[in-house]
Amino acid sequence: NAGVTQTPKFRVLKTGQSMTLLCAQDMNHEYMYWYRQDPGMGLRLIHYSVGEGTTAKGEVPDGYNVSRLKKQNFLLGLESAAPSQTSVYFCASIPTAGLYPHEQYFGPGTRLTVT
Amino acid sequence: GENVEQHPSTLSVQEGDSAVIKCTYSDSASNYFPWYKQELGKGPQLIIDIRSNVGEKKDQRIAVTLNKTAKHFSLHITETQPEDSAVYFCAASMNNQGGKLIFGQGTELSVKP
Repeated sequence: NAGVTQTPKFRVLKTGQSMTLLCAQDMNHEYMYWYRQDPGMGLRLIHYSVGEGTTAKGEVPDGYNVSRLKKQNFLLGLESAAPSQTSVYFCASIPTAGLYPHEQYFGPGTRLTVT
Repeated sequence: GENVEQHPSTLSVQEGDSAVIKCTYSDSASNYFPWYKQELGKGPQLIIDIRSNVGEKKDQRIAVTLNKTAKHFSLHITETQPEDSAVYFCAASMNNQGGKLIFGQGTELSVKP
């Protein structure tokens, strides 16, 4: 049971390039989340998904797209990377929110630098 | 929407002392307040959480208190050890919001031997 894994761990992009970050979980969780972490700003929600085939915007969605084609995978895409997207990206998942919020299980993060 | 403020941003204590980190939230509908610990190079991990129907919760050396009237909650770590050194995040959430968490800015705790 690997939990939540993220690929890649590190990446350097040039401005304007595109890339996709992969999050995978083997816990059969329904809900998945993408956050970015910047110094002094905590974790901010980019997009999330409440089930296979669904996605929704979080606090800072601009410049990102997501897809949840399979329950175990949640992809985060940057179509045209900008230096402002330099950050550490974390994926998280929960079994299901139901009525009450729940502990989120985080992956190890992807450090992205855009030059 | 909900806003969570966390203080201090950095905290340095001597081993064996206590550490307190405070958070305030803005939306009175929030009813779930977790605390996460993030070690260097790793993802955040839940250390303790509290729901709005209780005022205090303890787990060995850590405790969380909640004051719903004042809309603030605090993390207390007693008998600190060097391995407690990490970044700590508070968060708030409420029912029927897709399990979304709103995080505070984080506190970097340093425990000096």
